[in-house]
Amino acid sequence: DADVTQTPRNRITKTGKRIMLECSQTKGHDRMYWYRQDPGLGLRLIYYSFDVKDINKGEISDGYSVSRQAQAKFSLSLESAIPNQTALYFCATSVRKGRDTEAFFGQGTRLTVV
Amino acid sequence: GQQLNQSPQSMFIQEGEDVSMNCTSSSIFNTWLWYKQDPGEGPVLLIALYKAGELTSNGRLTAQFGITRKDSFLNISASIPSDVGIYFCAGSTPEIGEAGNNRKLIWGLGTSLAVNP
Repeated sequence: DADVTQTPRNRITKTGKRIMLECSQTKGHDRMYWYRQDPGLGLRLIYYSFDVKDINKGEISDGYSVSRQAQAKFSLSLESAIPNQTALYFCATSVRKGRDTEAFFGQGTRLTVV
Repeated sequence: GQQLNQSPQSMFIQEGEDVSMNCTSSSIFNTWLWYKQDPGEGPVLLIALYKAGELTSNGRLTAQFGITRKDSFLNISASIPSDVGIYFCAGSTPEIGEAGNNRKLIWGLGTSLAVNP
């Protein structure tokens, strides 16, 4: 089983719909992240959480919200999906101390907004 | 904001050839990481570097943390078809803020590697 699991793996939704992407991890890491990946733009950070009570905006947080329900769960919501949010979304985790920048990624969610 | 310049953008090589790619930054980094992403999968960590001048190997892969702390390279020796994928560099710098000694990764745009058998 994967250490970082994202659901769903693929999703097609309509413009204006609210959608939630879920991430769960069994690595016991404190820190969790949501990235989006677009061709030619690399990985861009949407939100990150260093513990259950700590949520921070990344570089492209507009149009997104997150919830850290537990240490192991971090969900990303698109309040009103729009076509330019079509992308590959990745959840990642890292440890809190020491080598805390070694991020471990889920398999991704491919989201299409039509 | 801080940016990483990763080059080359893409490479097409013959099986057995050596590969070299690099990343440069306009500012000093404390950590350099190299990831590989296979099609349809998330990036997987290949090598992590934490000290200037550090040279680390992982099988046929070798990466170095530049002495200036503004660059890093990744070499792949004797490439094989399964080396195909996108290779990303990422770096971090300490950010002293409300959360204390936290770090966020800054990513390069990737090097797409194709290997001709």
